[in-house]
Amino acid sequence: DQQVKQNSPSLSVQEGRISILNCDYTNSMFDYFLWYKKYPAEGPTFLISISSIKDKNEDGRFTVFLNKSAKHLSLHIVPSQPGDSAVYFCAARFTGANNLFFGTGTRLTVIP
Amino acid sequence: GAVVSQHPSWVICKSGTSVKIECRSLDFQATTMFWYRQFPKQSLMLMATSNEGSKATYEQGVEKDKFLINHASLTLSTLTVTSAHPEDSSFYICSASSEETQYFGPGTRLLVL
Repeated sequence: DQQVKQNSPSLSVQEGRISILNCDYTNSMFDYFLWYKKYPAEGPTFLISISSIKDKNEDGRFTVFLNKSAKHLSLHIVPSQPGDSAVYFCAARFTGANNLFFGTGTRLTVIP
Repeated sequence: GAVVSQHPSWVICKSGTSVKIECRSLDFQATTMFWYRQFPKQSLMLMATSNEGSKATYEQGVEKDKFLINHASLTLSTLTVTSAHPEDSSFYICSASSEETQYFGPGTRLLVL
């Protein structure tokens, strides 16, 4: 049973525009959420995270929004750059646990 | 951020041989490391949680006698794929926890002929 879902397998965005990647989860006990970026044949790279006590966290071009009532989070990248083209995974974690539950990923393509 | 390394990055072996993959946290100590497997176009699948000084915890459906995990120190965990078969061919990724974040190694591509 997939507890973390990314319903869009792919997304294409023009360079300079905003990329919005979405993620939904089913378990309200998740309290920490992370976004990872992954290139082919490489391990995921940590991008940004957010605790359930917040609804927004920003780091440079990356902003993560959390809507707990909707069990939804999103990653905004602005402005998008061709180097952002990769697969993005969202992940969630329970309080006191280390293991992560991953979504299936969204492949972002930024068109120059 | 914290750095995690994996070795080797590529392995090609014959069916029936055993393959050992090392995962190291380079600039931090990790009491917990994780081993994942990724099939093409699929998400990361957690195989097991490796705890320093104790037995690993395996996810349902993962054979512990097939995938031997040893977490001998706070910076090293090893995954041994015993008697590898072609269906074990996959991309294996480890991660290590530092504070609230997991940091991933670059992965190991295993091809069993």
